[in-house]
Amino acid sequence: EVQLVESGGGLVKPGGSLRLSCAASGFTFSSYSMNWVRQAPGKGLEWVSSISSSSSYIYYADSVKGRFTISRDNAKNSLYLQMNSLRAEDTAVYYCARDSYTAMVGGLFDYWGQGTLVTVSS
Amino acid sequence: DIQMTQSPSTLSASVGDRVTITCRASQSISSWLAWYQQKPGKAPKLLIYKASSLESGVPSRFSGSGSGTEFTLTISSLQPDDFATYYCQQYNSYQWTFGQGTKVEIK
Repeated sequence: EVQLVESGGGLVKPGGSLRLSCAASGFTFSSYSMNWVRQAPGKGLEWVSSISSSSSYIYYADSVKGRFTISRDNAKNSLYLQMNSLRAEDTAVYYCARDSYTAMVGGLFDYWGQGTLVTVSS
Repeated sequence: DIQMTQSPSTLSASVGDRVTITCRASQSISSWLAWYQQKPGKAPKLLIYKASSLESGVPSRFSGSGSGTEFTLTISSLQPDDFATYYCQQYNSYQWTFGQGTKVEIK
């Protein structure tokens, strides 16, 4: 069974940093591209970042480019999101999502974690 | 970026009703469109991919159609478990984008 478990969320002040983690199990993690998608309270879904299976290809939403860094450790079956210079508008539940494609970053999200809440407030 | 627009934003329906949700893309995305279902406090669930392909395990009352810029999600006979918010998403080109969502409420 595919499982994705996010952690690392919490309350942080504007301008602060936070690192999210996603522990994957139940599939060959090193074969799949992975993604972060967020959802502000009461709002819709927003794609944040994607990383290919070997980390060769990385993409970011314009809203986070230059502030967030996605990475992965295939030996640890883990995905990460380093978030710097956080703003109030980054407040959201952050979901880790598996990409349906193995050979590329396809942008189709077939499995999702339960999410971790990040609150940016003074 | 490709903008995705769903209509309606909210839909009131009864069990057994046929329900249709529309999604429009600001430019052609061929058939690279997915539909997700999300219930309160839960993660989204993939229902339909490539505009009309049913994800494994999803009931056959869900169907998708369309190509280019106009797409629809249809629930042939609404069940109690189907009251949720539905999102379309294009994966034709990154930056992947979602529609704003359609909430299906009990009438």
